[in-house]
Amino acid sequence: GAVVSQHPSWVICKSGTSVKIECRSLDFQATTMFWYRQFPKQSLMLMATSNEGSKATYEQGVEKDKFLINHASLTLSTLTVTSAHPEDSSFYICSARLGTINTEAFFGQGTRLTVV
Amino acid sequence: DAKTTQPPSMDCAEGRAANLPCNHSTISGNEYVYWYRQIHSQGPQYIIHGLKNNETNEMASLIITEDRKSSTLILPHATLRDTAVYYCIVMIYNQGGKLIFGQGTELSVKP
Repeated sequence: GAVVSQHPSWVICKSGTSVKIECRSLDFQATTMFWYRQFPKQSLMLMATSNEGSKATYEQGVEKDKFLINHASLTLSTLTVTSAHPEDSSFYICSARLGTINTEAFFGQGTRLTVV
Repeated sequence: DAKTTQPPSMDCAEGRAANLPCNHSTISGNEYVYWYRQIHSQGPQYIIHGLKNNETNEMASLIITEDRKSSTLILPHATLRDTAVYYCIVMIYNQGGKLIFGQGTELSVKP
């Protein structure tokens, strides 16, 4: 299947700092990317939908000023966790849709964020 | 939004077929059913998706009932590496094709 790559795979940061996570579609162009977070022993929770060249659409309850999403090209979306706190520690996963709305969406390997 | 219901856990003997059920009784006519699986601490892996016809690929088969209110994912010869959480998802067509994950089924393949 198509490849979606996230960087970094894991990151430890100090409380109050910001962290940027990159999501790249390596062998296809993705007009739509999705960002999820997952806490231990829980399912994935959709945070936002990222569309190339436009503002992201955030799910209810997700703070857009804290989780900044940029989708500047058809192969790259970034999630920046601003002023991170320990409760932001989680597994962040991106997904990119292969083509039209009824096609497959492929997921990155995830980024483990630990805020200390 | 269409929601799905899956059993929280299932066991399967290695080499046997694993049949994972999913109910999606409120699905709309243009909404697809997707199946993904997640092995611990990894991103979800795409398995298969379909609208109303049965689908088969190298990983699995997807059987969708005629009224589309339920479906079954079939792994024909389960191996230990198929142990994972399996998610049945109805894609939300009128919201940009979002995939909303439920709790999934934790499949344990045992020797």
